[in-house]
Amino acid sequence: AQSVTQLDSQVPVFEEAPVELRCNYSSSVSVYLFWYVQYPNQGLQLLLKYLSGSTLVKGINGFEAEFNKSQTSFHLRKPSVHISDTAEYFCAVILEGAAGNKLTFGGGTRVLVKP
Amino acid sequence: DAGVTQSPTHLIKTRGQQVTLRCSPKSGHDTVSWYQQALGQGPQFIFQYYEEEERQRGNFPDRFSGHQFPNYSSELNVNALLLGDSALYLCASSLALAWGFNEQFFGPGTRLTVL
Repeated sequence: AQSVTQLDSQVPVFEEAPVELRCNYSSSVSVYLFWYVQYPNQGLQLLLKYLSGSTLVKGINGFEAEFNKSQTSFHLRKPSVHISDTAEYFCAVILEGAAGNKLTFGGGTRVLVKP
Repeated sequence: DAGVTQSPTHLIKTRGQQVTLRCSPKSGHDTVSWYQQALGQGPQFIFQYYEEEERQRGNFPDRFSGHQFPNYSSELNVNALLLGDSALYLCASSLALAWGFNEQFFGPGTRLTVL
């Protein structure tokens, strides 16, 4: 069975500073990788995804992530955060080729952007 | 174009009661997945419905059941509620494809509190 670990439960960061959220996964087969954002009292919004191809993936709102197969990681980065980036961020995987595309999520990282 | 909608927004029940949550998928989507998100945790997959049948199920007891209607909308039923069932219940819809990745779009969720 696959699993996802987000190493930081909370990340405080100052406005305009860079941020990196760490995600590691374990799976015996190839996976698709995702980052979702959840703003307070809202559902999940897809930030970016890695299906195949270039290991550097660019998403919405200036976020990017890099897939590292040897380290089974998919860390999310943003070079300069805004107050509006305060939210919870979830890393998730889907087993490649699996019917139904069931998402397995990590525990989440809460980002608090301070002025 | 309306996205995924869920009702009700909030719900308070007592232990032992039964609850029904509703989800309308995004226009054009035919597959509905349900996730449970306990406070401070990542979402966990409950089950997925396609063509009015349960296609995949996560590690949840039989107290959790569902239904999909011919218009693709779906219900999640939980019987004999426990305090631990308190959570945000998220619905996600997607379009089943013969191959490849099907992005899931999430609704805002239903917040269930069991007293």
